[in-house]
Formats: sequence, C-alpha cells, structure tokens
Amino acid sequence: SQKIEQNSEALNIQEGKTATLTCNYTNYSPAYLQWYRQDPGRGPVFLLLIRENEKEKRKERLKVTFDTTLKQSLFHITASQPADSATYLCALADSSASKIIFGSGTRLSIRP
Amino acid sequence: DAGVIQSPRHEVTEMGQEVTLRCKPISGHDYLFWYRQTMMRGLELLIYFNNNVPIDDSGMPEDRFSAKMPNASFSTLKIQPSEPRDSAVYFCASSPTGQGLHGYTFGSGTRLTVV
Repeated sequence: SQKIEQNSEALNIQEGKTATLTCNYTNYSPAYLQWYRQDPGRGPVFLLLIRENEKEKRKERLKVTFDTTLKQSLFHITASQPADSATYLCALADSSASKIIFGSGTRLSIRP
Repeated sequence: DAGVIQSPRHEVTEMGQEVTLRCKPISGHDYLFWYRQTMMRGLELLIYFNNNVPIDDSGMPEDRFSAKMPNASFSTLKIQPSEPRDSAVYFCASSPTGQGLHGYTFGSGTRLTVV
C-alpha cells in the first residue's frame, strides 16, 4: 500500500543550527513533492515544491532535496530560529491523480 | 484576496445532530479539497472538486458524510448524523491546479467536537 513516513518524534534543535527533516515514501510515483508548515490552530501553509526531475530546491534559509531512487526527501532549515518552531508536513502529488496526500508531519522545536 | 474562508471556526454538537461546515475558496481556484485532521490519522483527504464537480470522494468515511459545491465560491461538508468519532479539525483547501503545482491554500479549519 502507499505510504508516506515522517519522523513522528519531535525534533529539538539549538538556535542557529541546521534542522533536517526526513520524508520517505513507498509505492508512489510522485510528480511533485511539497513541504508545508503548520502552526497550532492554523491550516498548513505551502513552502516549497520540488519536481521529480529536480535534485534540490532552495528558498531563503530552506533547502529541499528529492531522491527518487531512495524514495526520500530531506528538508533543511539553516540558521534555525525559534520562530521556525512548527510542524512540517511533506505531501506527494501522484502522477496519476489530481490530488496530494500528506505525511503525518514532524514537530520541530528550536530552543534559544 | 482574503484567502480560503471556513466557518464556523469551532462547532460543538451532540451526537446524532446534523453538522454543516462551510468553505469559500479563493476566487479563480478551480480545485477545492476537504481534509480532516486528527492526531491518530493526520491529514486525510475526504473529497475534492474540479470546477464544482466532485471528482474523487473515496476518502469520505461513510454515507453520513456528504459534500456539495453549488457554485465556484461555496462548498459545504455535511455530517448527518454526527458521532463522537467524527471529532476532528476539518480543513478546506483550494488550488489553481489539482496536483498543487503552486501549492494548496488552506483555510484556518473548523474544529468539530461531537459529544
């Protein structure tokens, strides 16, 4: 069956360090992979999209990699700040369907 | 644009009652999605529409759930009768494309509690 896995345990990082979150998937042929941020009591907010033929995408302090052989995406936040504390969700757009499916998310906490 | 607007923000109802959740998508977005979020199951896609037409309702849990989109600016998700296990946060999202080439824009959600 199709599955998207993110580390369910919270990630605690010291301010200024790089935070790295992992998204693994099975039985998908994703056309795109997306990352969202979700704050408590709010809906997810779109951050970045990376296509299947792209290895890396950057946006300010964010970097996403996509390895279709490993079936894995890594999401990096460099020079992390307490304001980066949130839950981060990865989502896959299956090439055969007009919809995206979300992982369960990883809660990131940046301590001062 | 005010973004995706959902109402109400919170709903508390008794088991067996009918519940109607509302959503106004972003103007010009052809796709509208209803998701449900719980701690146990995360974000689950319930149903989505393209140009007001339901395309995939395979995520709707039971016949107690129904969704409509009478026009491009309004959609409802109805639960009748409601049960305690329906308690969750329900999100509406819209997008110009189905696969989210530009990302999905989510509303703030409706927190439903069925007692």
